[in-house]
Amino acid sequence: GAGVSQSPSNKVTEKGKDVELRCDPISGHTALYWYRQSLGQGLEFLIYFQGNSAPDKSGLPSDRFSAERTGGSVSTLTIQRTQQEDSAVYLCASSLVRQGTSEAFFGQGTRLTVV
Amino acid sequence: EDKVVQSPLSLVVHEGDTVTLNCSYEVTNFRSLLWYKQEKKAPTFLFMLTSSGIEKKSGRLSSILDKKELFSILNITATQTGDSAVYLCAGGTGYGGSEKLVFGKGTKLTVNP
Repeated sequence: GAGVSQSPSNKVTEKGKDVELRCDPISGHTALYWYRQSLGQGLEFLIYFQGNSAPDKSGLPSDRFSAERTGGSVSTLTIQRTQQEDSAVYLCASSLVRQGTSEAFFGQGTRLTVV
Repeated sequence: EDKVVQSPLSLVVHEGDTVTLNCSYEVTNFRSLLWYKQEKKAPTFLFMLTSSGIEKKSGRLSSILDKKELFSILNITATQTGDSAVYLCAGGTGYGGSEKLVFGKGTKLTVNP
């Protein structure tokens, strides 16, 4: 596609429910990132996929968070048993990683509100 | 632990002023330094720097990287109200063709008319 697409753009959920956030990266981009941004805060790294390599999950805050990337393209971030502190904007980015350099392009994000 | 620190955290200026935003980094297997502008949700790409001492320019914005001192600056000249945004700096870290971005907390720039 022309850009990184995320859905839904907004999600309100009740505490304890599971949610799935979707990211469609730019076609051909091998790297995909998920970040979380709480109000007034910087971008918090969650998880990074690169090609067929094992994902870097070092940023996932708890075992309630998981992510998949199917067929090297679309990614889904799942949050189980949501808590109020999960409320944030979840941003996805993709890049075409060339040796030593990359430019990551962001989607518009999903604003998650847990009530 | 990889770390990117930006300063100042916030800055208020008047239209026409020149501003300098700072970014220092400590990242393993450093590859590149990236600057983004975030106005609402999605950060938009500004610059990517990989070589020391080579200035990149785009209109009134310019940036340079110092790989010896591990920092970068973003300059904006003749600021306009439309420059008001959060400016994010990120260090690209990785090896073997892979790269992960570590972001700073950003500098919030407010340009008043």
